[in-house]
Amino acid sequence: EAGVTQSPTHLIKTRGQQATLRCSPISGHTSVYWYQQALGLGLQFLLWYDEGEERNRGNFPPRFSGRQFPNYSSELNVNALELEDSALYLCASSDPKRDSNQPQHFGDGTRLSIL
Amino acid sequence: GDSVTQMEGPVTLSEEAFLTINCTYTATGYPSLFWYVQYPGEGLQLLLKATKADDKGSNKGFEATYRKETTSFHLEKGSVQVSDSAVYFCALRVVSNTGKLIFGQGTTLQVKP
Repeated sequence: EAGVTQSPTHLIKTRGQQATLRCSPISGHTSVYWYQQALGLGLQFLLWYDEGEERNRGNFPPRFSGRQFPNYSSELNVNALELEDSALYLCASSDPKRDSNQPQHFGDGTRLSIL
Repeated sequence: GDSVTQMEGPVTLSEEAFLTINCTYTATGYPSLFWYVQYPGEGLQLLLKATKADDKGSNKGFEATYRKETTSFHLEKGSVQVSDSAVYFCALRVVSNTGKLIFGQGTTLQVKP
């Protein structure tokens, strides 16, 4: 079974640009979660999508947004990039309908660097 | 609010030593608890989980017991290997269905031959 896949592996942008990160969940998983792992700030919850709808978002500004497609893959968009957006962005998936205690399974992340 | 506190690292051990990484939590109700491991340059891998009080999660020689009375979920391994060198994260999922995991700050483990 293929795991959660994320692309690209690395992304280099400059301040003010926009970044798009992609995630494909494990087959059969309908929920996708996004987390930011920034140096010194730990792992912070960004967004949760399930069945194409945004279910919850963390304490991030509106320039962080995303969507989930009919095949359950997801995009995270970050507009007006700032230096502090440099981080590893992790995507996770789960199948909440199977069991509400199902763990989240993570991809290897996209390293976003802002110059 | 809900939170997770882990012991500060780095933790440096010799091969075959006993490992304990402390994790305590603050949460309302009965959260689910997890340990994840992150190897250099990789994402998080689920190591083990426990969903109710007194549950013991175990995997690859690692164990952790959900202790509600002490609000703890300490990670243990009887004999560590060099290949166990990584960052370990304790996490909880809150009872209300917000979808998010709340992570501790992570503990770096370095095992020397």
